[in-house]
Amino acid sequence: RKEVEQDPGPFNVPEGATVAFNCTYSNSASQSFFWYRQDCRKEPKLLMSVYSSGNEDGRFTAQLNRASQYISLLIRDSKLSDSATYLCVVDMRFGAGTRLTVKP
Amino acid sequence: GAGVSQSPRYKVAKRGQDVALRCDPISGHVSLFWYQQALGQGPEFLTYFQNEAQLDKSGLPSDRFFAERPEGSVSTLKIQRTQQEDSAVYLCASRKTSGTYTGELFFGEGSRLTVL
Repeated sequence: RKEVEQDPGPFNVPEGATVAFNCTYSNSASQSFFWYRQDCRKEPKLLMSVYSSGNEDGRFTAQLNRASQYISLLIRDSKLSDSATYLCVVDMRFGAGTRLTVKP
Repeated sequence: GAGVSQSPRYKVAKRGQDVALRCDPISGHVSLFWYQQALGQGPEFLTYFQNEAQLDKSGLPSDRFFAERPEGSVSTLKIQRTQQEDSAVYLCASRKTSGTYTGELFFGEGSRLTVL
């Protein structure tokens, strides 16, 4: 079993839609949680950290559920520019990524 | 430099050749990571350095893979006797902090290795 698991998608949504990704992790002692974004043939870049109390950055909301060992990312009012692969990272280990395509 | 620099950007090797991939992290960054990313997959952890010390090499797939960071700055990932399954993008990332799990990773553009 992989340490960090994500639904690979793809998710195809229209502009303006709300989309949510989940990611599960196997180590209950994990300490750090992040979401990264990776555009096609580019390097990953930090989207946001994930804190125990949950956190929001504009249209993006991240949550952590330690009891069930998963983190989530919610994107509201999706834009064409949100099209990318979203990678969850737990203790510097990456999931396989979830591909999102936002269509006009 | 301003960001993480990796070289070569592209490398084609014949099966059985040795290759060396270089990473020049952001100046002053203590931590350095190597990842392997196959097509359509997420980055797979290979190894982690804090300064010159290799604290975790649990992700290296075989003894053909070797990494070093002798002076705590530039790092080299060496792959001996390359195999076709080694074909991937090798990503290097650096981080300012020394804590094991905290802080943003800054990635280089990667070295794309193709083994024929």
